[in-house]
Amino acid sequence: ETGVTQSPTHLIKTRGQQVTLRCSSQSGHNTVSWYQQALGQGPQFIFQYYREEENGRGNFPPRFSGLQFPNYSSELNVNALELDDSALYLCASSPLAQPYGYTFGSGTRLTVV
Amino acid sequence: DQQVKQNSPSLSVQEGRISILNCDYTNSMFDYFLWYKKYPAEGPTFLISISSIKDKNEDGRFTVFLNKSAKHLSLHIVPSQPGDSAVYFCAATQGGSEKLVFGKGTKLTVNP
Repeated sequence: ETGVTQSPTHLIKTRGQQVTLRCSSQSGHNTVSWYQQALGQGPQFIFQYYREEENGRGNFPPRFSGLQFPNYSSELNVNALELDDSALYLCASSPLAQPYGYTFGSGTRLTVV
Repeated sequence: DQQVKQNSPSLSVQEGRISILNCDYTNSMFDYFLWYKKYPAEGPTFLISISSIKDKNEDGRFTVFLNKSAKHLSLHIVPSQPGDSAVYFCAATQGGSEKLVFGKGTKLTVNP
């Protein structure tokens, strides 16, 4: 069974730009959750997608948005990038719309300059 | 307001000895707790969990203890091995929630 794959692994963007991060979920998982891990911090919940619908959101502004596709893969979009958006973005898939049984991807390291 | 706290940023132990990683929480609604291990350039991997109806859960070399009255949990690793060197995150959730709340992590170094 394949795990969770995230792309790209690293990228550098300029303040004000937009970015799209991608995540393929593990086979058999229908839920994808996104977390932001800033340097020296623990992962912080951004939002969760379950069966193509947003199923909960953390304390992030609307410029953070997402999508989930029929194959349960997902995208995280961030508009109007700010320097503080520099972080590791982690995607986790799970078989249920609950935070159990997470399989995390290796993350995308975003640097905003 | 940090609801899950890991107050020790780092811990160093000798191979074969016990490693004890601590975690405190403030939200009394949390009823399920998890530990994750993270190596550099990899995503966190699940290690062990405990429900609030228990005070101990054991899996091989790993044991998690929960003290609800103190809102404290700890992860014991016995015996510690060099391959255990990683960052360990404590996380918590409550029934019906879709999210985990993580601590900042503790970097464990096991010296040969």
